Amino acid sequence: QKEVEQDPGPLSVPEGAIVSLNCTYSNSAFQYFMWYRQYSRKGPELLMYTYSSGNKEDGRFTAQVDKSSKYISLFIRDSQPSDSATYLCAMTGSQGGSEKLVFGKGTKLTVNP
Amino acid sequence: DVKVTQSSRYLVKRTGEKVFLECVQDMDHENMFWYRQDPGLGLRLIYFSYDVKMKEKGDIPEGYSVSREKKERFSLILESASTNQTSMYLCASSWDRFGARYPYEQYFGPGTRLTVT
Repeated sequence: QKEVEQDPGPLSVPEGAIVSLNCTYSNSAFQYFMWYRQYSRKGPELLMYTYSSGNKEDGRFTAQVDKSSKYISLFIRDSQPSDSATYLCAMTGSQGGSEKLVFGKGTKLTVNP
Repeated sequence: DVKVTQSSRYLVKRTGEKVFLECVQDMDHENMFWYRQDPGLGLRLIYFSYDVKMKEKGDIPEGYSVSREKKERFSLILESASTNQTSMYLCASSWDRFGARYPYEQYFGPGTRLTVT
């Protein structure tokens, strides 16, 4: 079983739709959870950051972590064409204090005008 | 703003050539990373460094080496390039987790698309 699983999509939605992106993981020691956004031909950039369980909201974006289910989600409300990108989940916090992140493979999202 | 720069956006090399990919960060980060990104395989860690002259193997170090002589610069070396090393190479850097607003947050460069023919 891979440490982090993410459906690669692609996902295509109309403008204004609510988008749900998800990752599951197997390492119960993970405590730090991130979502990166990567536009075409660019490097990833941090979009949302959550420590431990719970929800975090930033404008149209909401990140959720359910540690009991080992499941994290990113919701995008009122999606815009500018949200078209690949979204990668990332996590760490395993014992030993490693600085490494474990990434999902990314979900490619297209928002159609 | 944190800036991570990579020496080339696009690079074409021949099989057997020695290839150097350079990465420079301007935020005094302790940690630096080299990844490759391939369709269907995602980001895979090649090597990382948590201090000058220190290096640790990532998940796919075979065929690669690294050098970190100065804190701001981290080089990836393909000793003898092969066609299966054609990929997008991404460099990233981060603070020590105790010095960051978001522990473990990594900042990425724009990537180098390497083609080996």
